[in-house]
Amino acid sequence: GENVEQHPSTLSVQEGDSAVIKCTYSDSASNYFPWYKQELGKRPQLIIDIRSNVGEKKDQRIAVTLNKTAKHFSLHITETQPEDSAVYFCAASKTGGGNKLTFGTGTQLKVEL
Amino acid sequence: DTAVSQTPKYLVTQMGNDKSIKCEQNLGHDTMYWYKQDSKKFLKIMFSYNNKELIINETVPNRFSPKSPDKAHLNLHINSLELGDSAVYFCASSQGDGDYEQYFGPGTRLTVT
Repeated sequence: GENVEQHPSTLSVQEGDSAVIKCTYSDSASNYFPWYKQELGKRPQLIIDIRSNVGEKKDQRIAVTLNKTAKHFSLHITETQPEDSAVYFCAASKTGGGNKLTFGTGTQLKVEL
Repeated sequence: DTAVSQTPKYLVTQMGNDKSIKCEQNLGHDTMYWYKQDSKKFLKIMFSYNNKELIINETVPNRFSPKSPDKAHLNLHINSLELGDSAVYFCASSQGDGDYEQYFGPGTRLTVT
């Protein structure tokens, strides 16, 4: 089955700096890669996703890049703000898999003032 | 206007008891899921139903039994609760079983003593 590794497990940045979270996946058939943000005590919420026919996608301060050959994908947050502090999860799934998401282990991002 | 709701929010019970968690979505989605998030925040899918049909059934003890009376509801019944069942259980739904955003409920924190 699919295995998703995520690094780092914790990340601390100064407000205004950029943050990068990296994930690797094992199943070359995976073709959908969403990112979820989970604030303390809250539910996970989708912030951005990318499909395998696209190499990069951007939405305001967040962007995701995908390298299919290396089976890597990354989340980039620019101009970080305190409200970006949360746990971020990457995930992967493949067509025909019933939208079964395999999640990474999460990254605790802390944005310090 | 709650999209995905779960009851109860907190559940404290003793080992050996049987308990149920209920989930309802008012988004008109066809697919619903149960996830378990352990104390290390690891998020893992347990079950998924599409149009009331079980489509994902991960390696979960058979003490866990999902039931979908209709497309809008997915319940989780747990028999003979064990200490290791303590976790946050999230229900989620999506438009279908393809690459669709999954909307999570608020979670049910189960504590087994």
